[in-house]
Amino acid sequence: QKEVEQDPGPLSVPEGAIVSLNCTYSNSAFQYFMWYRQYSRKGPELLMYTYSSGNKEDGRFTAQVDKSSKYISLFIRDSQPSDSATYLCAIKVNQFYFGTGTSLTVIP
Amino acid sequence: ETGVTQTPRHLVMGMTNKKSLKCEQHLGHNAMYWYKQSAKKPLELMFVYSLEERVENNSVPSRFSPECPNSSHLFLHLHTLQPEDSALYLCASSRYTGTAGNTIYFGEGSWLTVV
Repeated sequence: QKEVEQDPGPLSVPEGAIVSLNCTYSNSAFQYFMWYRQYSRKGPELLMYTYSSGNKEDGRFTAQVDKSSKYISLFIRDSQPSDSATYLCAIKVNQFYFGTGTSLTVIP
Repeated sequence: ETGVTQTPRHLVMGMTNKKSLKCEQHLGHNAMYWYKQSAKKPLELMFVYSLEERVENNSVPSRFSPECPNSSHLFLHLHTLQPEDSALYLCASSRYTGTAGNTIYFGEGSWLTVV
C-alpha cells in the first residue's frame, strides 16, 4: 500500500468553480501536511502547510485535514485559469511522502 | 523565487558524457535533497544531506553521485546515464531532517534528456 494516494485526474473545471483536490494516507503517525502547486516545466511551489486537523485558509485556498479518516483536501474557491497546474499533496513524519499529483485545468 | 536555485535548467547529454547539476539554497537550511520526477510517478527521493553529511541514499544507481561541500551547495554528478534517466531532477531544502516540523522548498528543477 502506498503511503499517500492521490487521484491523478485530469480535472477540468470552468472558471469560477470550486475545486476539491484530495489525498488519503495510510500511516496515522503522519503529522505534517502540505500542498504544492507545480506549473508545467517548473518545480513544486509550497501553497499550504498545516499540522492539525481542521481547516486552514489562505485567500482562495483552504486546506482541510481529517486525521480520523486519514484524508486531506485542498479547496480552491473562484478558480482562475492561472490555477491550471498540477497539485501535489505531501505528508511528513520523519521523511516526506508525496502524492502523484492531480492535473487541474481551469477553462476561461 | 523560492530560495533554491538550480543550474542548468535544461541539459541534453549522451550516454557516455559526464555532467553535473548544481543547486544552491539561500534559506539558511541544514538539509538538502535530490529528487527525481518522472511522468505519472510520485517524486522519488534520491539523496538526503543533513549538515553536509549524507543521511539517506535510496538505492540510487552509482552513475548518480552526489556531493555536498557545504550546507548551501549540493551537486549531482552524472556519468554513463541511460535514456530512462531522462527526467526532471529537483533539488530541495528544509530546515531540518527527521521528525522536526518543517516544510521542504524546491528549486525550479533541471530537465535532463539522455540521448
